[in-house]
Amino acid sequence: QITLKESGPTLLKPTQTLTLTCTFSGFSLKTHGVGVGWIRQPPGKAPEWLSLIYWDDTKRYSPSLKTRATITKDTSKNQVVLTMANMDPVDTATYYCAYSQSPLDYVLQIWGQGTLVTVSS
Amino acid sequence: DIQMTQSPSSLSASVGDRVTITCQASQDIRFRAHWYQHKPGKAPKLLIYDASALESGVPSRFSGSGSGTDFTFTISSLRPDDIATYFCQQSDSLPLTFGGGTKVEIK
Repeated sequence: QITLKESGPTLLKPTQTLTLTCTFSGFSLKTHGVGVGWIRQPPGKAPEWLSLIYWDDTKRYSPSLKTRATITKDTSKNQVVLTMANMDPVDTATYYCAYSQSPLDYVLQIWGQGTLVTVSS
Repeated sequence: DIQMTQSPSSLSASVGDRVTITCQASQDIRFRAHWYQHKPGKAPKLLIYDASALESGVPSRFSGSGSGTDFTFTISSLRPDDIATYFCQQSDSLPLTFGGGTKVEIK
């Protein structure tokens, strides 16, 4: 059974850096074709895709993040970490991580429950 | 970026009703549209992938159709447990983008 769980701070001040961890089980990020992505959903708005990392360390980012975001993986801990610099109140959202595996590339097959991050001074 | 225009944003229907939600892509995405169900406080769940393929374990009352720019998601007979927000997503090109969601309620 595949599960994912997001963890990180619930409250940040503007300009701080967000570090979110996705801890997963039931699969390995060493397996060919496997990827883990991050998606966020601001209150009352549509989900927004942020980033993806694959088994071979290929990384993809949403252009909307510009250079603010970095995604990394630790296969020994079964974790994927997303960092976002210079957080702003508009970054307030529930952040989700999700599993994807080829041939369903870019399909977010299993999601975590999400973690709410609030950015406020 | 490919825009996914989803409608309606909300609907109210009776148990047993047929419910239809549409998503229109701003450009041809072939069959690369997927549908998710999201209940408050829970993880979003993939129901339909590649426009019409039913994810394993998903009840057959859920279905999808379409290709190109126009996609439809249908619940053939609404059940109380189907109360949720449903949203579409395209995977034809990055960045991945989502529809605005449809909140389904029981009348």
